[in-house]
Amino acid sequence: DIQMTQSPSTLSASVGDRVTITCRASESIRSRLAWYQQKVGKAPKLLISKASDLESGVPSRFSGSGSGTEFSLTVSSLQPDDFATYYCQQYNSFPWTFGRGTKVEIK
Amino acid sequence: QVQLVESGGGVVQPGRSLTLSCTASGFSFIDYGMHWVRQAPGKGLEGVAAVSSDESFKYYIDSVKGRFTISRDNSKKTLYLQMNSLRSEDTAVYYCAKDGNLLTGYYDNWGQGTLVTVSS
Repeated sequence: DIQMTQSPSTLSASVGDRVTITCRASESIRSRLAWYQQKVGKAPKLLISKASDLESGVPSRFSGSGSGTEFSLTVSSLQPDDFATYYCQQYNSFPWTFGRGTKVEIK
Repeated sequence: QVQLVESGGGVVQPGRSLTLSCTASGFSFIDYGMHWVRQAPGKGLEGVAAVSSDESFKYYIDSVKGRFTISRDNSKKTLYLQMNSLRSEDTAVYYCAKDGNLLTGYYDNWGQGTLVTVSS
């Protein structure tokens, strides 16, 4: 199985900060990476697919980059609504696997 | 808009069975692969099973293979997960999710989830 390693596990930041979450795959997954946002008690929401394709309706302050084994999710200016847990997920080969998540907390 | 509504969760004893359902609306159900993804309390996400639009392909993670069966009824726009021989480690919120394409492997819409608790 492909292992997905996210860092950091927790991130403390302030409104307006630029934050970056990284995700590393244990082998190449080309660009088959998705990012999800999950708020407490809610279902995850797809933000980005194919490493950098922003889903319709997702604010442009979110962006994704990377290919192969190294990926990142950046929020250019953190907003109050962005405090949540973020997961990366590879879908290059089954079983499709998630990172352990990055919790973005208010500093 | 896409809506996925799960049902069927509850408390069940180890070794017993349970069937989850997911009713879909707002998109052409027959054109998309579908998934079950679970999240144990306080833990991360785990894709459990997937089925192609015409049921020609079905995928299961090793820990549920032989115990869980994913299926769908396209005429009823409904996805199912039959869970047998349940274990305590199957305790989780189970989400129904729509694939981003035929069966690409990422999840572009999710239901609200249904909680399955396996406990004596």
